[in-house]
Amino acid sequence: DGGITQSPKYLFRKEGQNVTLSCEQNLNHDAMYWYRQDPGQGLRLIYYSQIVNDFQKGDIAEGYSVSREKKESFPLTVTSAQKNPTAFYLCASSLRDSLYGYTFGSGTRLTVV
Amino acid sequence: DAKTTQPTSMDCAEGRAANLPCNHSTISGNEYVYWYRQIHSQGPQYIIHGLKNNETNEMASLIITEDRKSSTLILPHATLRDTAVYYCIVRANPMIKAAGNKLTFGGGTRVLVKP
Repeated sequence: DGGITQSPKYLFRKEGQNVTLSCEQNLNHDAMYWYRQDPGQGLRLIYYSQIVNDFQKGDIAEGYSVSREKKESFPLTVTSAQKNPTAFYLCASSLRDSLYGYTFGSGTRLTVV
Repeated sequence: DAKTTQPTSMDCAEGRAANLPCNHSTISGNEYVYWYRQIHSQGPQYIIHGLKNNETNEMASLIITEDRKSSTLILPHATLRDTAVYYCIVRANPMIKAAGNKLTFGGGTRVLVKP
């Protein structure tokens, strides 16, 4: 079955440590996205990538970094510069220049203590 | 992309139709209306999208007013599993505008289906 996989589902880190969240898709989608969601809030775009080796900042990119070395993978690193990293992180993918909607992963809940 | 306005929350009875309104008064001619829903602690799920004609699929119906300034998502027979946050999003046609295919999520409507 095609889909988008985020791992791990829950992640705990100590303050000051960098942490990388995994996102893999086998849908042959060109574009991939990272969103952050805080309790009771909507989703906010962190970074997105439309093609391999290219990505753009979203609305809240500060303190985050990404890479897109393969079409299937779009890992997100939460750096120590991110002031409030505890949140629910969602990865999505879509066909580029298509009216079809996004496919979302099941999310990673990051807790920094 | 145009901004949308949705009620914060609404309740509906199991088995009855749920009508979820959305205002998008500044929508432009090449912008589509999309609906997603998010069940607690899961990723959002695509429901339906439309431009100006009414649309129906196995999940829901989308009714867009003639002036396109508002729309209604209809869940024909709500079940307890339809309890979720529903997001109405306006998105530029990615084939016309190089908007990066971005979707901007607002606060959504928290729908509680009651037995």
